[in-house]
Amino acid sequence: AQTVTQSQPEMSVQEAETVTLSCTYDTSESDYYLFWYKQPPSRQMILVIRQEAYKQQNATENRFSVNFQKAAKSFSLKISDSQLGDAAMYFCAYCPGGGADGLTFGKGTHLIIQP
Amino acid sequence: SAVISQKPSRDICQRGTSLTIQCQVDSQVTMMFWYRQQPGQSLTLIATANQGSEATYESGFVIDKFPISRPNLTFSTLTVSNMSPEDSSIYLCSVKTSGGANNEQFFGPGTRLTVL
Repeated sequence: AQTVTQSQPEMSVQEAETVTLSCTYDTSESDYYLFWYKQPPSRQMILVIRQEAYKQQNATENRFSVNFQKAAKSFSLKISDSQLGDAAMYFCAYCPGGGADGLTFGKGTHLIIQP
Repeated sequence: SAVISQKPSRDICQRGTSLTIQCQVDSQVTMMFWYRQQPGQSLTLIATANQGSEATYESGFVIDKFPISRPNLTFSTLTVSNMSPEDSSIYLCSVKTSGGANNEQFFGPGTRLTVL
């Protein structure tokens, strides 16, 4: 079974600074996808960024980027120029390739933005 | 993407009763899923809702407790049966669209259930 581990229950960063959230995973699959979701207090799950395992290039979406290390099974999220609206729970998630499976989530990291 | 609505948005129920949660999508989708998020916890997959056939349940979840229906490609229901306080959670519906890239899943707003 796949597992996803987020070792940082909580992180704090000053507004406009950069923060990195860690995620490791365990799988025997070679084809899979990785995601970061954001859950603000409204509880709506918002997709932040995704990474296909077969792609070596790290995904980037505006201020959000990932550091995907396939051999190390590591998938960290970097948020640049942190904004107050970035405050939320961040969940790392894994999905096998093929399209028929749901997501396996990590326990989440609570991100606090200090003004 | 897809616009997903859930009803009810929240409810308070007595133990021993059942609640049915509805999930409606604004377009046809290939896959629909139900997740549970217990207080202060992460999301756990309950089951995959299969159109026209029985749902596929994850380990630890059974049909008698969480019956699921999916009569068509845009609608699904999850029933939480014979509820106890331990069932107090947020229940979320999610979908994969046929035109979606890279296995993206989109989530509904969730249903917050409190069992007294």
